[in-house]
Amino acid sequence: KAGVTQTPRYLIKTRGQQVTLSCSPISGHRSVSWYQQTPGQGLQFLFEYFSETQRNKGNFPGRFSGRQFSNSRSEMNVSTLELGDSALYLCASNLSPFYNEQFFGPGTRLTVL
Amino acid sequence: AQRVTQPEKLLSVFKGAPVELKCNYSYSGSPELFWYVQYSRQRLQLLLRHISRESIKGFTADLNKGETSFHLKKPFAQEEDSAMYYCALSTGGYNKLIFGAGTRLAVHP
Repeated sequence: KAGVTQTPRYLIKTRGQQVTLSCSPISGHRSVSWYQQTPGQGLQFLFEYFSETQRNKGNFPGRFSGRQFSNSRSEMNVSTLELGDSALYLCASNLSPFYNEQFFGPGTRLTVL
Repeated sequence: AQRVTQPEKLLSVFKGAPVELKCNYSYSGSPELFWYVQYSRQRLQLLLRHISRESIKGFTADLNKGETSFHLKKPFAQEEDSAMYYCALSTGGYNKLIFGAGTRLAVHP
């Protein structure tokens, strides 16, 4: 079974631009979560989607948004990029919110110049 | 406030020595705790969960609600155990995890 895939793997943007990251969960998984990983703040929860609905949201500004499609694929968007948004963005999938194991993707490394 | 604390950034031991990676949490509800591991150039993956009371790769972790701890232990470390270990607390469902800062375990021959 193929694992969680994330595209692109690396991205370089400049301040003020916006970016869209994509995540394809493991086949059959309907729940997708996003995390931001930085050296200073570590791994921080961004949001969670299940059946195209956002179930939970972390403590991030409104510039961070996401969505989930009917095939469970998910995208996250960051608008008006800031230098501090440079991070590794991890996506994790799960069968459902009620199953206690998430499977993580390799991440998208975003650099904001 | 919900928080997970891993006090050690780096734990360095020799092969065959016992290992204990510390994790303390702060949560007013009933905690669900996990240990995730990331080996070099690999993805973050679940090592074990407290609810299963399992032993994976020789590692165990016991939830101590009195001390609000969930320390990870292994009696005899192996070189292949070298990795980054993250303790995580589940709140609001299993897909919303609060992670500790992580501890890098280095096992030397």
